[in-house]
Amino acid sequence: QQQVKQSPQSLIVQKGGISIINCAYENTAFDYFPWYQQFPGKGPALLIAIRPDVSEKKEGRFTISFNKSAKQFSLHIMDSQPGDSATYFCAAKVGNNRKLIWGLGTSLAVNP
Amino acid sequence: DAGITQSPRHKVTETGTPVTLRCHQTENHRYMYWYRQDPGHGLRLIHYSYGVKDTDKGEVSDGYSVSRSKTEDFLLTLESATSSQTSVYFCAISESGRGYPHEQYFGPGTRLTVT
Repeated sequence: QQQVKQSPQSLIVQKGGISIINCAYENTAFDYFPWYQQFPGKGPALLIAIRPDVSEKKEGRFTISFNKSAKQFSLHIMDSQPGDSATYFCAAKVGNNRKLIWGLGTSLAVNP
Repeated sequence: DAGITQSPRHKVTETGTPVTLRCHQTENHRYMYWYRQDPGHGLRLIHYSYGVKDTDKGEVSDGYSVSRSKTEDFLLTLESATSSQTSVYFCAISESGRGYPHEQYFGPGTRLTVT
């Protein structure tokens, strides 16, 4: 049973466009929602994270939007660049539990 | 990569042989994790450790064992490798407490092929 459902599985965007990746969850006890970015041949790395007390967090071209009532959160990449081509994972965790619950990942390709 | 090394980086082994993968960290972080990554399955937790000699199972622990005799080293052993264990294995570390983020830092991965 996938506790964090991520969509789409793959995404192709033109350079300069907006990439949007969505995640949905069921466990209302989740209180930390990170996004990780993984380039081919590398381990994942934290990109941006949000807590449920805010509805949006922005870091440069990357924005997390959080909808607590809908139990959804999404990653928006503005002005997408070929260098953003990577696999993106959403995740969630509860309190001091050190384990992350992962989405299955989205493979993003940004065409030049 | 935040002071995490994995060895070997690539390995080909035969079905039925034991295999040990090593994760070494220089960050003195308390928590260490072993994941496997397979197409369509994302990252799946195999085992994790919350201190020296303190380990627990993840969601796909069958066929794997771990040991942590020192803070800096976390070993993953495939007791009798099977073709279904062909995968990319990632080690990760994290720390807890005030001032530490919840971030997990990942190593570069080990590509294991079982023939």
